[in-house]
Amino acid sequence: DTAVSQTPKYLVTQMGNDKSIKCEQNLGHDTMYWYKQDSKKFLKIMFSYNNKELIINETVPNRFSPKSPDKAHLNLHINSLELGDSAVYFCASSHADTQYFGPGTRLTVL
Amino acid sequence: AQSVAQPEDQVNVAEGNPLTVKCTYSVSGNPYLFWYVQYPNRGLQFLLKYITGDNLVKGSYGFEAEFNKSQTSFHLKKPSALVSDSALYFCAVRDRGSGNTPLVFGKGTRLSVIA
Repeated sequence: DTAVSQTPKYLVTQMGNDKSIKCEQNLGHDTMYWYKQDSKKFLKIMFSYNNKELIINETVPNRFSPKSPDKAHLNLHINSLELGDSAVYFCASSHADTQYFGPGTRLTVL
Repeated sequence: AQSVAQPEDQVNVAEGNPLTVKCTYSVSGNPYLFWYVQYPNRGLQFLLKYITGDNLVKGSYGFEAEFNKSQTSFHLKKPSALVSDSALYFCAVRDRGSGNTPLVFGKGTRLSVIA
């Protein structure tokens, strides 16, 4: 069984559109994260939720809005997509110290 | 502030030879240190971590890492490299006293093991 899953795996869309990426973890973890990996493979935290509450919000445009309907899910909605949003987005979850990552969603904005 | 440096963008090693991927860190307190591996078009996989205790940590796939507090380093090692070890390796750090703060990742080191 997949521990941290993301859908979709690939997302190609036009500038200006709104899109969502879903993340689910079946590990029973309390904390979930969204990371962005750019074309140079640099990984940067975007958001962190603990028990459905936002605890970290890095300098991310407010076009990005995370939503956690329950402890096992953390979805990422992006409004008015821009070319610079093209990247791979990783969801992760953690309990105590170790983070476990999903397979990633490759977003391409045309 | 926390930071991680991986000074090498690329490490090349012949199959069967020992490999080292370097990592140095900076935190205000005591660190939690991690290594993750990313295979092409895949997510990050946890390899090993240092929390406390023995400075030499053993992890998955025969990898190990040594925590050196005086040099603020946490280099990843393997005695005998395999072609299948070729991947992107990330070192990450978190300050132990920082609650739920996320990991800070290095920029990654691409390991290429040549047959």
